[in-house]
Amino acid sequence: DAGVIQSPRHEVTEMGQEVTLRCKPISGHDYLFWYRQTMMRGLELLIYFNNNVPIDDSGMPEDRFSAKMPNASFSTLKIQPSEPRDSAVYFCASSLFTNTEAFFGQGTRLTVV
Amino acid sequence: AQSVTQPDIHITVSEGASLELRCNYSYGATPYLFWYVQSPGQGLQLLLKYFSGDTLVQGIKGFEAEFKRSQSSFNLRKPSVHWSDAAEYFCAVWNNNAGNMLTFGGGTRLMVKP
Repeated sequence: DAGVIQSPRHEVTEMGQEVTLRCKPISGHDYLFWYRQTMMRGLELLIYFNNNVPIDDSGMPEDRFSAKMPNASFSTLKIQPSEPRDSAVYFCASSLFTNTEAFFGQGTRLTVV
Repeated sequence: AQSVTQPDIHITVSEGASLELRCNYSYGATPYLFWYVQSPGQGLQLLLKYFSGDTLVQGIKGFEAEFKRSQSSFNLRKPSVHWSDAAEYFCAVWNNNAGNMLTFGGGTRLMVKP
């Protein structure tokens, strides 16, 4: 397996634009996590899915953020409209169970100008 | 509320010297404990994990960690650091009383002097 794949690796967008981040988890993993990493707040869990169903989205900062998992091999994190304070590295991770190793993608570095 | 504390934000060691990175957690029961490493521009990679059993666990790249229940600690160690170990290290905890999620510490950035 190629691991968790995220795209794009880098995204630069203007304030107010819609941004969509994509993730392909490891095949067979039932859990998918979206994290955001910033210097100020470190790693924050935004939302996680179990078998494509959102389980806990309490970490999603605002209604501007939304995440979907239409099938077991694909998830998106959307920000609309984007703001400069959304600039961060967004990681997707997947695992067999919640208490086993989470495998991380290489992240998407988002810059909102 | 659960928390994971890594007291040292930055650590600098000389190549060949020993290393210990500190991690403390606050829970009532024994959690599942992890150490991850993040190289610049990369995602996080698991170094080692503790679920139960022997409190000294061995990981990849020559790292080990010791779970000490009495101190609520899970410190990461390496006897001899290599320049390639320069990275950021994250301690993480999973506890099923916390909504079934991993909680990460703030990270420790390791710099290695030649």
